[in-house]
Amino acid sequence: DADVTQTPRNRITKTGKRIMLECSQTKGHDRMYWYRQDPGLGLQLIYYSFDVKDINKGEISDGYSVSRQAQAKFSLSLESAIPNQTALYFCATSDFGSGGDSYEQYFGPGTRLTVT
Amino acid sequence: GEDVEQSLFLSVREGDSSVINCTYTDSSSTYLYWYKQEPGAGLQLLTYIFSNMDMKQDQRLTVLLNKKDKHLSLRIADTQTGDSAIYFCAERSNDYKLSFGAGTTVTVRA
Repeated sequence: DADVTQTPRNRITKTGKRIMLECSQTKGHDRMYWYRQDPGLGLQLIYYSFDVKDINKGEISDGYSVSRQAQAKFSLSLESAIPNQTALYFCATSDFGSGGDSYEQYFGPGTRLTVT
Repeated sequence: GEDVEQSLFLSVREGDSSVINCTYTDSSSTYLYWYKQEPGAGLQLLTYIFSNMDMKQDQRLTVLLNKKDKHLSLRIADTQTGDSAIYFCAERSNDYKLSFGAGTTVTVRA
């Protein structure tokens, strides 16, 4: 089974609709992240959470909100979707690490969201 | 803020070496990473280098770091068709967030 899972994998929605993307992890990591990927722009950080009670805005948080329901679950919501939120969304996790850890981030397979 | 730049495309003949270049701006970066993204998949860590190192070799992969010029490169020896993917350079600043470049799409031709 995959360590980081995302649901749904693909979603088409209409402008103005509320949508939630979900992420679950079995790695036992405290830190979780949401990124969006646009062609030619790489990955941009939307929100990140260092533990259940610590949630922080990333570079492009406007129009998004998040909820860290448990250590293993981090969901991303678009309150009122708009077409320029059409993108590939990735969830990632990392451990705090100790003694030489690379602080690697582990990525889910992504959710392709289209807003029409 | 952090800024990571890399060229967008690279075409290489099968069996040749590929070199992907990256520049970054944050002099406090502690770790620098290369991630690989295959079609329809998430990013997977290929290799990383700590900022006090100049070079790291891992099988067909060689990472070179020039801290003075803030330049990072990834060399893939004997490039194979399975190496066709998007390669992302990323830096970690001291607050443990990653900043990614736009990604270099590597196409391996026979």
